[in-house]
Amino acid sequence: DAGITQSPRHKVTETGTPVTLRCHQTENHRYMYWYRQDPGHGLRLIHYSYGVKDTDKGEVSDGYSVSRSKTEDFLLTLESATSSQTSVYFCAISEPTVNEQFFGPGTRLTVL
Amino acid sequence: DQQVKQNSPSLSVQEGRISILNCDYTNSMFDYFLWYKKYPAEGPTFLISISSIKDKNEDGRFTVFLNKSAKHLSLHIVPSQPGDSAVYFCAAPTNYGGSQGNLIFGKGTKLSVKP
Repeated sequence: DAGITQSPRHKVTETGTPVTLRCHQTENHRYMYWYRQDPGHGLRLIHYSYGVKDTDKGEVSDGYSVSRSKTEDFLLTLESATSSQTSVYFCAISEPTVNEQFFGPGTRLTVL
Repeated sequence: DQQVKQNSPSLSVQEGRISILNCDYTNSMFDYFLWYKKYPAEGPTFLISISSIKDKNEDGRFTVFLNKSAKHLSLHIVPSQPGDSAVYFCAAPTNYGGSQGNLIFGKGTKLSVKP
């Protein structure tokens, strides 16, 4: 299995509070991604990174920001959490020359 | 507009029989397809892929068929086992033209294999 960890694995927070999710990889893969999974929607891309300090928006980026200051860490921040951001969040990694992405175990976030 | 569609939210099959999971796509520029498998409370895991230069790719009990003219692919699992019960996602990279792209996923099909 690819060395990808996500923290926290579970979080319950209140509307309006800031939340940061962390993805850490030990594979030295250049590309990293954040997805959310919701019933009836499959996996949708939030933000992605093609390298340190190189990030871009995905399909559902509103309300989210990301940062990547080191190859191994990719942070997803909800500046002011809303109930619509209750979801399961997955981090993924890949290398530039292949299409396959490898996923972390996920973070279940509940915004009350 | 959904570019990758999995129109069956769920599928139930008997152990030992064939499972056929279907996926349709609308973008004729897609030239590579992947299937992922996801168990509850775990991340998706890569299962099998196919390039558009092929019409079939086989890996053990798993075979993916691609029909480019119909913009349709299917995943066959033979024989199905209870441990195959999971959600299966079809995906395509938006990297046609040679550049690295992101994956677009279908909504998934939940497979239940009954003993």
